[in-house]
Amino acid sequence: DAKTTQPPSMDCAEGRAANLPCNHSTISGNEYVYWYRQIHSQGPQYIIHGLKNNETNEMASLIITEDRKSSTLILPHATLRDTAVYYCIVRVNNAGNMLTFGGGTRLMVKP
Amino acid sequence: GAVVSQHPSWVICKSGTSVKIECRSLDFQATTMFWYRQFPKQSLMLMATSNEGSKATYEQGVEKDKFLINHASLTLSTLTVTSAHPEDSSFYICSARDVGEQYFGPGTRLTVT
Repeated sequence: DAKTTQPPSMDCAEGRAANLPCNHSTISGNEYVYWYRQIHSQGPQYIIHGLKNNETNEMASLIITEDRKSSTLILPHATLRDTAVYYCIVRVNNAGNMLTFGGGTRLMVKP
Repeated sequence: GAVVSQHPSWVICKSGTSVKIECRSLDFQATTMFWYRQFPKQSLMLMATSNEGSKATYEQGVEKDKFLINHASLTLSTLTVTSAHPEDSSFYICSARDVGEQYFGPGTRLTVT
């Protein structure tokens, strides 16, 4: 699976949009971009994933650049409960393929 | 979304004893389950992949005789830490694969004294 690069930490003001970047310049054509987050002392939580089109769900939006070498996770109105470590993972979407976690971005939402 | 449970959520045991952690997929069948370990302020590290009815596949550096994994049914996998030592103290997280996505349990915090 391709390697990803994320900033180790970011701050965001409560109520503002949080934009979390991820670089995956070696991504292959059949690899998806996945985002998970882990709130302190809990298991990771799935947020969103995409292949090449932008995606949106009730939690977040995922913007993937046209060359697919980077992406941005957007939390439109961050709350204190969004404070967590956010992991960007790229992988082939098949049944046997597990998720491999990098360092992630520690997002601190401040009042 | 699919729900994965773990039991216990935390456990304290004495050095030399064994501890069993259960992982259950509550509303789906998981042919594949994964076990991760996470030390403080570090990322999750995959320990092993288990497929129902067959032997687990362990990652390099993980002792298969120390971390016994049993995946006897499509909804249950267990991890047994045998002869636990203080350095085995960690946050253990299981994950189960549904048709599309991989879902995670809430984790089990093991403290070995």
